[in-house]
Amino acid sequence: EIVMTQSPVSMSVSPGERASLSCRASQSVSNNVAWYQQKPGQTPRLVIYGTSTRATGVPARFSGSGSGTEFTLTISSLQSEDFAVYYCQQHNNWPLTFGGGTKVEI
Amino acid sequence: QVQLVQSGAEVKKPGASVKVSCTPSGYTFINYYIHWVRQAPGQGLEWMAIVNPNDGSTRYAPQFQDRVTVTRDTSAGTVYMELSSLRSEDTAVYYCARGSCGTTRCYNYFDYWGLGSLVTVSS
Repeated sequence: EIVMTQSPVSMSVSPGERASLSCRASQSVSNNVAWYQQKPGQTPRLVIYGTSTRATGVPARFSGSGSGTEFTLTISSLQSEDFAVYYCQQHNNWPLTFGGGTKVEI
Repeated sequence: QVQLVQSGAEVKKPGASVKVSCTPSGYTFINYYIHWVRQAPGQGLEWMAIVNPNDGSTRYAPQFQDRVTVTRDTSAGTVYMELSSLRSEDTAVYYCARGSCGTTRCYNYFDYWGLGSLVTVSS
């Protein structure tokens, strides 16, 4: 199975700052990576799919990039509602796999 | 609006089985795959299975292959996930999630999620 490794595990960021979250696949997954946001006690929410396409209703400050094995989720100017755990997921191969998550905190 | 309504919390003893239901609404049931994803307390997300509600075909993650069964009832518009031989490590929130579809094909990322069903395994 493809292992998705996220880094860092957690990051402390101030509102208004830029955050870059990394996700590495153990083998190529083409551009088939999605990102989810999960706040405490809530269900995961799709943020990015196909590496770089924002899901419906996701603000433009969220962007995704990468290909092959290296992927990045960037939040250009963090807002208070962006503090959460973010998971990457590859949807290129079976079984589908998630990264361990990056916690973005103040 | 799209909703996936899941069954309630369950408490089971080790060795028992649990069956969780997921009833989507707001779209045509047979047109979208349904996935099951679980999350142990304080842990990350783990994909378990997919079902095609149209024909009932399934695919399972290898670590669950021997213990999980996903079925669907098209008349009830409901998907079921049954996990057997429960152990304490199966204590988790079990989510159903809809696989996204475009105009010509479907994809294996998840655009709508249920609220989750907490399964607690304890003697």
